[in-house]
Amino acid sequence: AQSVTQLGSHVSVSEGALVLLRCNYSSSVPPYLFWYVQYPNQGLQLLLKYTTGATLVKGINGFEAEFKKSETSFHLTKPSAHMSDAAEYFCAVSSSGNTPLVFGKGTRLSVIA
Amino acid sequence: DAGITQSPRYKITETGRQVTLMCHQTWSHSYMFWYRQDLGHGLRLIYYSAAADITDKGEVSDGYVVSRSKTENFPLTLESATRSQTSVYFCASSAGQGKVLFFGSGTQLSVL
Repeated sequence: AQSVTQLGSHVSVSEGALVLLRCNYSSSVPPYLFWYVQYPNQGLQLLLKYTTGATLVKGINGFEAEFKKSETSFHLTKPSAHMSDAAEYFCAVSSSGNTPLVFGKGTRLSVIA
Repeated sequence: DAGITQSPRYKITETGRQVTLMCHQTWSHSYMFWYRQDLGHGLRLIYYSAAADITDKGEVSDGYVVSRSKTENFPLTLESATRSQTSVYFCASSAGQGKVLFFGSGTQLSVL
């Protein structure tokens, strides 16, 4: 069975600082990996995804994530945080795209002016 | 409007009552999902459906019933609501398993 662990339920960064949100997964077969973002009182929307191919994936709003098989990780980064990045971020995994997405517990990102 | 819509947006009910949450999508996606979101638990899968008349249980299906008579609709019913079912419920759809999920805006359900 697949699972996702997001390290840190709350991360706080200063505006302009690096954003790093950590995600580790467990999957017995090659994973499909996703990051979703949720703004207050809204549903989730896709930031980026990895299925196959290039391990560095670029998404919307300047975010990117790198799939590292040896570390079973898919950390989300952004070089410079903006106030509008404040939201809840969810990492999710599907086993080779053949199973429903399993989500992590989420990381709330706060951006301090 | 194109997209995925959930209704109602907010619902308050009492323990023991039956309540149905509605979900409608206009993309003709084959897959539809119900998740619940709770603090400290993230999103957990309740039920999903691969096509009309095909449904499967998720991680937390006890106390819930679904149906999918039409591709575009996927209602979720709480047969006898309990306080532990107080949560935010999200419906989602996708073109296939492992494909991008598109989420509705959620239904905030309170069971008193």
